[in-house]
Amino acid sequence: RKEVEQDPGPFNVPEGATVAFNCTYSNSASQSFFWYRQDCRKEPKLLMSVYSSGNEDGRFTAQLNRASQYISLLIRDSKLSDSATYLCAVKENAGKSTFGDGTTLTVKP
Amino acid sequence: NAGVTQTPKFQVLKTGQSMTLQCAQDMNHNSMYWYRQDPGMGLRLIYYSASEGTTDKGEVPNGYNVSRLNKREFSLRLESAAPSQTSVYFCASSSNYGYTFGSGTRLTVV
Repeated sequence: RKEVEQDPGPFNVPEGATVAFNCTYSNSASQSFFWYRQDCRKEPKLLMSVYSSGNEDGRFTAQLNRASQYISLLIRDSKLSDSATYLCAVKENAGKSTFGDGTTLTVKP
Repeated sequence: NAGVTQTPKFQVLKTGQSMTLQCAQDMNHNSMYWYRQDPGMGLRLIYYSASEGTTDKGEVPNGYNVSRLNKREFSLRLESAAPSQTSVYFCASSSNYGYTFGSGTRLTVV
């Protein structure tokens, strides 16, 4: 079993839709959690950190469920420009992060 | 602009040639990393450096060597390139607030 697993998708949604991605992790000692966005042929870029209490940034909401060991990313009112691959990352305390393989989202007109 | 700078952006090598990928960051981060990403796949860690003077193997270190020259610079060397090393290579540095990646090096070994 991989340390960090994501549904690879692809998720194909119409503009304006709400879409959610989940990411499960196996190491219960993990301390920090992140979502990254990667556009085609570009480097991953940090989208948002995931806090225990959940956090929101505009149309994006990230949540953490420690008991079930998963994090989620919710995108509301999807835009064409949201089309990308979304990577989750899990970090042990003071250690390196482990990345999921990514979930591909395509938002269509 | 602050960030991670990688060179070169593109490279074509013949099998058996050697080369060094350069990476520098100006964010005063202690930790630096080298990843490779193959088409349709996730990031695989080659080597990392938790601090200046230390390096450790990642998931796929075979065929690579690294040097943490100072706090800013972390280079990746291919001693004898093989077609299986055709990939996109990303350097990154990190703080408690996540990773910053370089723009990548697209390497083709023929």
